[in-house]
Amino acid sequence: AQSVTQPDIHITVSEGASLELRCNYSYGATPYLFWYVQSPGQGLQLLLKYFSGDTLVQGIKGFEAEFKRSQSSFNLRKPSVHWSDAAEYFCAVAPGDSWGKLQFGAGTQVVVTP
Amino acid sequence: GAVVSQHPSWVICKSGTSVKIECRSLDFQATTMFWYRQFPKQSLMLMATSNEGSKATYEQGVEKDKFLINHASLTLSTLTVTSAHPEDSSFYICSATSVTGDNSPLHFGNGTRLTVT
Repeated sequence: AQSVTQPDIHITVSEGASLELRCNYSYGATPYLFWYVQSPGQGLQLLLKYFSGDTLVQGIKGFEAEFKRSQSSFNLRKPSVHWSDAAEYFCAVAPGDSWGKLQFGAGTQVVVTP
Repeated sequence: GAVVSQHPSWVICKSGTSVKIECRSLDFQATTMFWYRQFPKQSLMLMATSNEGSKATYEQGVEKDKFLINHASLTLSTLTVTSAHPEDSSFYICSATSVTGDNSPLHFGNGTRLTVT
């Protein structure tokens, strides 16, 4: 069965520290991979996506993610977090033939402390 | 950039009534729109795929007679929650893809918070 796993439900990080959010997927083939961020009561904003090519993907707001096929992972990173990065982060996958139908992970809530 | 507008942003209705939520693509034509539901503290779950001019495709477990989806034009899809009950209270989010197939992924609306009393 296809699945997306975000092992960390909640992460607390100090402002200025680095952040890594984990995402693992289980799919028959390499899917399209996405990271979205959601602020409370808001819709989703795309941080970055991976379709093919370079496995290190740069996104907005200083985020990057690395696709590792051998580990079926697509972890999100940021070298130095800002207080405004506090939000819910969702990893999502879509099959290669229907990249609009996203399957989301459970989400990781990021709290940034002073 | 591409913008998807959802209206209303929040709505409160009484149990047994119906509520319509609109999803509009403002600056692009969307052949396909998707409707998601998000319960508090949970992830988003795809409810249905809406294609312009044809019937929507519902995910398993989603009642098509309860969640009526209409995609009458390339810029508008509507979700009507019929005979709403408190358990339908949720955050509903739509997304849209453009006809150009520019590999640009989904553009999401800001969501509609539905509360059924």
